[in-house]
Amino acid sequence: KQEVTQIPAALSVPEGENLVLNCSFTDSAIYNLQWFRQDPGKGLTSLLLIQSSQREQTSGRLNASLDKSSGRSTLYIAASQPGDSATYLCAAFNAGKSTFGDGTTLTVKP
Amino acid sequence: DTEVTQTPKHLVMGMTNKKSLKCEQHMGHRAMYWYKQKAKKPPELMFVYSYEKLSINESVPSRFSPECPNSSLLNLHLHALQPEDSALYLCASSHRLSNEQFFGPGTRLTVL
Repeated sequence: KQEVTQIPAALSVPEGENLVLNCSFTDSAIYNLQWFRQDPGKGLTSLLLIQSSQREQTSGRLNASLDKSSGRSTLYIAASQPGDSATYLCAAFNAGKSTFGDGTTLTVKP
Repeated sequence: DTEVTQTPKHLVMGMTNKKSLKCEQHMGHRAMYWYKQKAKKPPELMFVYSYEKLSINESVPSRFSPECPNSSLLNLHLHALQPEDSALYLCASSHRLSNEQFFGPGTRLTVL
């Protein structure tokens, strides 16, 4: 059974800092790994999808990497802004379904 | 149209009521999903439909009954729910299974 872990559970940084969120998964036979952001009480917004054959994906200030062999993915956020404050979730897709980590709650202070 | 819509936004129901949640997408996606999310927890998969056929049922109690009447619509019929079923119910869709998932805003369900 796939298990996904995210570290840290919470992170508080001053505006402008670069930061890294971590995601690890136990079953490396994944089709893809997707990063989401969720604002309180809202649905999930897709940020980046990395296919199993890819090593990284970039969108604006976000960069996600994937190392299947070690069962790890990272989400790098450059020049953080208060509007980046949210919970960030990773989800590993295999066996026909996605398994989510518990998320990292990010607070960016002005 | 690049979004997943869900109705209603909020629902309050008694334990003897019957209600339905509705999810719709017009992106031509052929996989649709129901998730349940409790406060401060990640979404938990309930059902997966692929090409309008039930692909995965994560041992969800029978008081939850999914229906996929066509490729754009996904319903979740609710009957005799318990207070512990109160949660945010999220619908998602993807082009195919294993493709990028897009989520709706959710229905906040409260069972009294």
